[in-house]
Parts: sequence; C-alpha cells; structure tokens
Amino acid sequence: KAGVTQTPRYLIKTRGQQVTLSCSPISGHRSVSWYQQTPGQGLQFLFEYFSETQRNKGNFPGRFSGRQFSNSRSEMNVSTLELGDSALYLCASSLKTRQGQETQYFGPGTRLLVL
Amino acid sequence: AQKITQTQPGMFVQEKEAVTLDCTYDTSDQSYGLFWYKQPSSGEMIFLIYQGSYDEQNATEGRYSLNFQKARKSANLVISASQLGDSAMYFCAMRESTSGTYKYIFGTGTRLKVLA
Repeated sequence: KAGVTQTPRYLIKTRGQQVTLSCSPISGHRSVSWYQQTPGQGLQFLFEYFSETQRNKGNFPGRFSGRQFSNSRSEMNVSTLELGDSALYLCASSLKTRQGQETQYFGPGTRLLVL
Repeated sequence: AQKITQTQPGMFVQEKEAVTLDCTYDTSDQSYGLFWYKQPSSGEMIFLIYQGSYDEQNATEGRYSLNFQKARKSANLVISASQLGDSAMYFCAMRESTSGTYKYIFGTGTRLKVLA
C-alpha cells in the first residue's frame, strides 16, 4: 500500500498570498487530520475530516480552511498568509478497529515559508 | 494550566537499555485517548502507540509500551532495548472527546539520545 502523500513538500510564499496544500491518505482510510508544527507553538491540531465532512476543528482563525473529496483526498487552504504561518504542516490518515484501537499514518509534511 | 506535561526536555539512554519517557495529562472527560509519536531529525512524524481511556490493559506495540496509570493521570512511554535509531523527539498527546467533538492537545516533547 502506498503511504500518505503530501504535496508540495516545500513552498515559499509572501505575506498576503494564499496557499493550498494537498494530502492523499492511505487507500481505504476515510479519516484525514491536519496539524501545524512551529518552533514557537509546537504541534497544534488544525482539523479532521471524515467522509467529506469536517468532524473536528482546532483553534485557528477562519483563514485556515479545508475540505475532503469523495476519494478521501484532502486539501487545506490558508488565505492572507502571515509570517507566523511559516510551519511544517502534517497530514495523517487513520484507521480505527472495531475494538477501538487506532493507528495513524503521517505524510512527510509540507514546509511552508512565508516571507 | 498545561493539559499535557512532558517534564523531561532531554534524555540520554545507553543502547540496549530500557528508557521511560514521562507524560502526565489533565482532563475531566471520561472518554479520551492518549498517543505517543516519534519525530526523527528528518522531520517526519511517526505514530507509535495509542491508549484509550477505557482500555484496561496497557497498550503495547513491539518495543513500545504505554504505562497507563489512570488515577495518577500518567501515560508514560517505555522503550525496551533502545536502538541508535530511537534517537528522536517524542511527543505525547491527548484527544479529549466532549459532546461528540474532539480536542487534541500535544506536549512539548522529549528529545531522546541513544548512546552507543
């Protein structure tokens, strides 16, 4: 099985621009989560999608949005970029067993630099 | 107040020895999940282990086990027989479930260095 893929891997943008990041989960996984990692704030949860519906959302401004398509691929969009949006953006797909056990698989991440 | 506390910013362990990475959490929810992740210097995040709050047995996954002490609100990660490749940053995280929605909180991490 192919792993979780994220594109692009690296991105440089300037303040005020917008950006779209893409995540393709492992085949068969319907849950996709997004995380932001910065040196200052650490790891923070952005949102989770399941079967095209946003199931959970972290404490981020409305400039951060996302969606999930019928093939479970997910995109996240950040509008009006700020310097503080420079971060590693991680995507994970997950699988839960009927017994409630959960396993997550992460993509390699997208490193975004906002100048 | 910190909801996830990892008190060890850095740790050293000799190769082949066991090591325990501490994690304490704070929640008033009855239903929650605890996670451990590994992040090598290359940056990728690797899921290690998951423990549900209702699981009575400690989770294990190969050389990783989670020492879950519910009353003490601790979820320590135990790595047995350390290997050089275990050198990485380790994050503890909690997912709280409230009224059907989830809230994820991450710890600040522990940097582990395995010595040859």
